[in-house]
Amino acid sequence: GEDVEQSLFLSVREGDSSVINCTYTDSSSTYLYWYKQEPGAGLQLLTYIFSNMDMKQDQRLTVLLNKKDKHLSLRIADTQTGDSAIYFCAEKVPNTGNQFYFGTGTSLTVIP
Amino acid sequence: DTGVSQNPRHKITKRGQNVTFRCDPISEHNRLYWYRQTLGQGPEFLTYFQNEAQLEKSRLLSDRFSAERPKGSFSTLEIQRTEQGDSAMYLCASSLAGTDYEQYFGPGTRLTVT
Repeated sequence: GEDVEQSLFLSVREGDSSVINCTYTDSSSTYLYWYKQEPGAGLQLLTYIFSNMDMKQDQRLTVLLNKKDKHLSLRIADTQTGDSAIYFCAEKVPNTGNQFYFGTGTSLTVIP
Repeated sequence: DTGVSQNPRHKITKRGQNVTFRCDPISEHNRLYWYRQTLGQGPEFLTYFQNEAQLEKSRLLSDRFSAERPKGSFSTLEIQRTEQGDSAMYLCASSLAGTDYEQYFGPGTRLTVT
C-alpha cells in the first residue's frame, strides 16, 4: 500500500524558516498536499502541488517536489508562534479512488 | 459557506453501546469522505460517497460500522457494539466532483470508549 513518511518533531525559533520534509512511495501520485492541524481541531488545507510541478509558492509557504527522490517539502518563511501545529503530508494516487494517504504528521514547535 | 461541520464534537460511551455521528459538508459539495485518526497518526480513509451513493469502503470499515448519506447532503456514521479500539477522532471531509483534489475537513468528532 501507499506509505508516506515524515519526521515526528521540528523546533524552530520565531522568525526563522521551517522546513518540513516528507517522503512517499507511489511515483504515480497526482497531487501532494500539506495540511495543518491545531490541537483539538480538524485539518486545514494549506497548499497542494500537482505532480508535474517542481515548486509552488503561496505567500510564506513554499512547496518543493522532487519526483525522482519522491520527496516533498514545505518551507514556512518567517515562522510565527501561530504556526505551531502538526503538519501532515498527503498524496492522492490515481486508481485508488478518491482517498488521500496521509503521513504520521510533523509536530512543529515555534519558540518565541 | 460555513465549512464542514460535525456533531457531536466529543462523545464518551461505554463499550458495547452504539454511537452515531453526523457530518454536514460544504453545501455545494457532492463528495463526502469519512476518515479515522488515532493518536499520533495521520487520518486513515474509511469510506466515500458521491451524492447518496457509497462508492468505496476501506477494509478498516468493519461490519460494525455503517455510513449513510440518504439525501446526498449530510451523512451519518454509526458504530455498533463499540470497542475500546474504536476510540479515535472521526473526521469528515467534502469536495466537489471535478475539483476533488481539494478535500476540506471538518473539526472531527472525538470518540472515547470506556
